[in-house]
Amino acid sequence: GNSVTQMEGPVTLSEEAFLTINCTYTATGYPSLFWYVQYPGEGLQLLLKATKADDKGSNKGFEATYRKETTSFHLEKGSVQVSDSAVYFCALRRYSTLTFGKGTMLLVSP
Amino acid sequence: GAVVSQHPSWVICKSGTSVKIECRSLDFQATTMFWYRQFPKQSLMLMATSNEGSKATYEQGVEKDKFLINHASLTLSTLTVTSAHPEDSSFYICSAAGGAFDMNTEAFFGQGTRLTVV
Repeated sequence: GNSVTQMEGPVTLSEEAFLTINCTYTATGYPSLFWYVQYPGEGLQLLLKATKADDKGSNKGFEATYRKETTSFHLEKGSVQVSDSAVYFCALRRYSTLTFGKGTMLLVSP
Repeated sequence: GAVVSQHPSWVICKSGTSVKIECRSLDFQATTMFWYRQFPKQSLMLMATSNEGSKATYEQGVEKDKFLINHASLTLSTLTVTSAHPEDSSFYICSAAGGAFDMNTEAFFGQGTRLTVV
C-alpha cells in the first residue's frame, strides 16, 4: 500500500536558519506529492505540491522537489522565521485518497 | 483558498453518550467530504469519504455504526460518534472538495475537533 515517512520532530531552529524536513514515500504508480502546514489551532493548509517527477513546488519561501529515483519530497527553506513554527505534513495522493506522514513539528526561536 | 469550518473545536463528553461534529464549506459546494482521525504523534488516518446525497464509504477497520456520517447537503457533513468511549478520544478533522474530484482537485481542511471522552 501507499505510505509516507517523514522525520521525527520536533525540529528546533533559530530564526534565519536553514530548514530541511525529510520525506520519503512508497506508492504504486505516479502519485502527486504535497506538503501541508498546520498552525496552532487551525486546520491543515496546502503549502505546496508537485504532480510529476522533477517538478518543484514552492510557496512562501519553501521548496520541495519530486525525486522519483529516491522516492523523496524533502521540504526546504533557506531562512526560517518565528512565524513558520507549525506542524508540517508530507502527503501523497493517488486518485482521491490522501495518505499522510505523521507530521513534523517545527519550532523557531528568535 | 476556500474555507471549511468545523464545529465544535473541542468537546468533552461522558462515556456512553453521542457527540456530533459538523463540517461546513462556507464559500463553495462540497460534493465530496472526508473525515480523518489523528492520534497523538500519528498520521491523519482517513475514516470515510462521503459524497452529497450518498452513503459514506468507510475505510477498512472503521465501524460504520459507531461513526455515523451524514452528507445531506452540499455545504454540510456531520460525523456522530455514538456511544462514545475513552478510546474514541482523538482529534477529528474534516476535509471538503468541490466539483468532480480528480487528481487536480484541491481538498480544504477544517480546523479539527478535539474529542475527549471521560
